[in-house]
Amino acid sequence: DQQVKQNSPSLSVQEGRISILNCDYTNSMFDYFLWYKKYPAEGPTFLISISSIKDKNEDGRFTVFLNKSAKHLSLHIVPSQPGDSAVYFCAATGVSSYKLIFGSGTRLLVRP
Amino acid sequence: KAGVTQTPRYLIKTRGQQVTLSCSPISGHRSVSWYQQTPGQGLQFLFEYFSETQRNKGNFPGRFSGRQFSNSRSEMNVSTLELGDSALYLCASSFRGGSNQPQHFGDGTRLSIL
Repeated sequence: DQQVKQNSPSLSVQEGRISILNCDYTNSMFDYFLWYKKYPAEGPTFLISISSIKDKNEDGRFTVFLNKSAKHLSLHIVPSQPGDSAVYFCAATGVSSYKLIFGSGTRLLVRP
Repeated sequence: KAGVTQTPRYLIKTRGQQVTLSCSPISGHRSVSWYQQTPGQGLQFLFEYFSETQRNKGNFPGRFSGRQFSNSRSEMNVSTLELGDSALYLCASSFRGGSNQPQHFGDGTRLSIL
């Protein structure tokens, strides 16, 4: 039972354009959502997060949007840079859960 | 500020052996979590510790165990290793665990079972 789903295994965008990565969840008890970036042979690096009481959070080139009614979140990267090429994971957790549930990841390729 | 440190980075074992992996969290972080990453199952939660107490455990057999010390450092142990235990084992830390605070990951221990 996949509680967090990333339905696009890969995404390719041109440098300077917007990258939009999507994530869906099924558990309405989730109240905190995160995005991580992962390079090969390294651990996931925290990018940005959002609490369920918000619908948008920005940090530089990264913006996360949360649509609770649709149980959907997305990560926007503007402008995309070649160094952004990596696998992106969304994750979710709930109150007193103390664990992250991860999606399967989306491989982003930013073409120069 | 030093990040999460995991040792060793690489490990090769044979079936039936046991292994212990170590994790030093970011200074001041008291919650330590462990995850297993495999190509087939993705990133899966193993367990979480806070103040030397296990607060949550994932769906793994009893061969997987862990502990946390008073300085927040953590170890996980896998006994009677099986081929399917080959994976990247990741440790993550946060101030107190739970919602509204991100977990920060180490670079993992790559365990290969022959």
